[in-house]
Amino acid sequence: SYVLTQPPSVSVAPGQTARITCGGNNIGSKSVHWYQQKPGQAPVLVLYDDSDRPSGIPERVSGSNSGNTATLTITRVEAGDEADYYCQVWDSSSDLVLFGGGTKLTVL
Amino acid sequence: QVHLVQSGAEVKEPGASVRVSCKPSGHPFAGRYMHWVRQAPGQGLEWVGWVYPNTGGTNSPQKFLGRVSMTWDTSISTAFMDLSSLTSDDTAVYYCTRGRGGAFEGMDVWGQGTTVTVSS
Repeated sequence: SYVLTQPPSVSVAPGQTARITCGGNNIGSKSVHWYQQKPGQAPVLVLYDDSDRPSGIPERVSGSNSGNTATLTITRVEAGDEADYYCQVWDSSSDLVLFGGGTKLTVL
Repeated sequence: QVHLVQSGAEVKEPGASVRVSCKPSGHPFAGRYMHWVRQAPGQGLEWVGWVYPNTGGTNSPQKFLGRVSMTWDTSISTAFMDLSSLTSDDTAVYYCTRGRGGAFEGMDVWGQGTTVTVSS
């Protein structure tokens, strides 16, 4: 079965750039979606189709997807970006929706 | 703007069943998938399945087959998720969430979550 792999944690200082990866076999051939979840809250879609931002998501948030890795990039990181981030795909071969294990972003 | 309003917290004994409801407000729900996603305490997100209101079709991972039923009641425009034979492993927050379009698309609106606790 298809598996998405995320690093458990990423730490970055305010004002720096955070990169959160999502690994999967030939993930570049799939559409990857990213969610931000803060403690006690429901997830929020921050990127869809690899790199498109829903309305209200700042341009500091961007994404890429190629080969076996998709990446969520947050520039000029702020304290408010501290959260758990999840990648998600739909696996066409199994017709299943899959989430990565999540990455906790810590702003130092 | 669409909101998804879920039913309140539930406490169930092992072996029982639970029903969680989810009612969209603000705009008609036509043409979108309704997904169910759960999150056990301190854990990540787990997809439970989807229901497509236009047809009533459903899909869910093998681990839930036979235990989960997802339906859409057209008369009251409400989605339901029924989970049976509950164990402590089913203790989680259950979210309903709207797909942007097809099953392969992201989920752009989320309910507030319903806490289901399974305990004797």
